[in-house]
Amino acid sequence: QQKVQQSPESLTVSEGAMASLNCTFSDGTSNNFRWYRQHSAKGLEVLVSIFSDGEKEEGRFTAHLNRANLHVSLHIREPQPSDSAVYLCAVSSSNNRIFFGDGTQLVVKP
Amino acid sequence: EAAVTQSPRNKVTVTGGNVTLSCRQTNSHNYMYWYRQDTGHGLRLIHYSYGAGNLQIGDVPDGYKATRTTQEDFFLLLELASPSQTSLYFCASSGSKNTLYFGAGTRLSVL
Repeated sequence: QQKVQQSPESLTVSEGAMASLNCTFSDGTSNNFRWYRQHSAKGLEVLVSIFSDGEKEEGRFTAHLNRANLHVSLHIREPQPSDSAVYLCAVSSSNNRIFFGDGTQLVVKP
Repeated sequence: EAAVTQSPRNKVTVTGGNVTLSCRQTNSHNYMYWYRQDTGHGLRLIHYSYGAGNLQIGDVPDGYKATRTTQEDFFLLLELASPSQTSLYFCASSGSKNTLYFGAGTRLSVL
């Protein structure tokens, strides 16, 4: 079964500094990758989806995928205090099963 | 606007009680999911469905039943609730591209 692991568990950055979050997965046939954000035990919202190696940018959020290294990352440019939340990595394969990591708690200090 | 609506938002029951959590989506999506979220475990899939009348078992199905009555409606049933089922429950829907659209969650406490 797919294993999805995120690091770090928690991250504190200053407003305006780049925030980088990591996600590794175990199934090399995975072909669908998404980053979600969750504010304070509320519903999740999708930030960026990526399906092929390289990078995908959505506003201040950029995902990088390297399937050979089983790694996907999220970079947040100029983070703001309102970006403080839990960030979850989601990985799926052609069978439509979606697996989540445990999340990274991001705190952005003013 | 397309949405996933869960009810109730909060529920308290006693051990052995009977609970039904409801989810309705207006996204016209085929897939619907029930997850639970607990500290230290992240999001875990309970059951999912790819259409009315269909049910698939997720990763943590024990103690839960589910029923998909229409394309829009997906229910999660706890027939003999236990304290271990105290959790935050999320419903989600997705179309063919696997992007999940989540409801606001139901916080369940089993005393």
